[in-house]
Amino acid sequence: GDSVTQMEGPVTLSEEAFLTINCTYTATGYPSLFWYVQYPGEGLQLLLKATKADDKGSNKGFEATYRKETTSFHLEKGSVQVSDSAVYFCALSFGGTSYGKLTFGQGTILTVHP
Amino acid sequence: GAVVSQHPSWVICKSGTSVKIECRSLDFQATTMFWYRQFPKQSLMLMATSNEGSKATYEQGVEKDKFLINHASLTLSTLTVTSAHPEDSSFYICSAIRDQSYEQYFGPGTRLTVT
Repeated sequence: GDSVTQMEGPVTLSEEAFLTINCTYTATGYPSLFWYVQYPGEGLQLLLKATKADDKGSNKGFEATYRKETTSFHLEKGSVQVSDSAVYFCALSFGGTSYGKLTFGQGTILTVHP
Repeated sequence: GAVVSQHPSWVICKSGTSVKIECRSLDFQATTMFWYRQFPKQSLMLMATSNEGSKATYEQGVEKDKFLINHASLTLSTLTVTSAHPEDSSFYICSAIRDQSYEQYFGPGTRLTVT
C-alpha cells in the first residue's frame, strides 16, 4: 500500500538556522504531495502542496519540490523562527474517488530556540 | 479562514461505555468529512470517510460496529466509540472538505482516555 516516511525527530534548531525535513513516499501512480503543520492546540493546517513531478510548493518561506525520480518531497526553510516550532507532517493523496484521503508520515517535531 | 471544531476536546470514560465525538464545520458546508486516529508519536491513520446523507465508508481493519459514524447534516459528523476499551484510547481528528472549494480543513482533535 501507499506510505510516507519522514525523518525521525525531534529536530531542535537555533533561530535563523537552515531547516530540512526529509520525506519519501511509496505509491502506485503519481499522487499529490502535501506538507501540513500542527501548532500546539490547533488543527493541522496545509503548509504547501505539489500536484505533479517537478512542481515546487512554497509558503511562508518553506519550500518543497516533488521529485519523482527519488520519490521525495523534502521540506526546507532557509531561516527558521521561534514561531515555526510545531509538528510537521508529510502526506500524499490521490484524486478521483480517493479525493481528500490522506496518507500521513509519522510527523516531525520541530523546536526552534531563540 | 474556514474553521472545523471538535467537541469535546478531551474526554475520559470507563470501559464498556460509549462516547460521542462531534465534528462541526463552523462556516462552510461539507458533504464529505474524514475521521483519523493518531497514536502517540505516530502518524494519523484514516479510519473512515463520512458522507452526508449516506453510510460511512470504513478503511480496512476498522470495526464499523465499534466506531459508529453519522453525518446528519452538511456541517456535522459524529463518531461514537461504542463499548470502549482502554486500547481505544487515542487522539481522534476529523477533517472536512469544503464543498465550494474542495479544500480540506482539520479539527483540533479529541483526546479519548478509556479507564
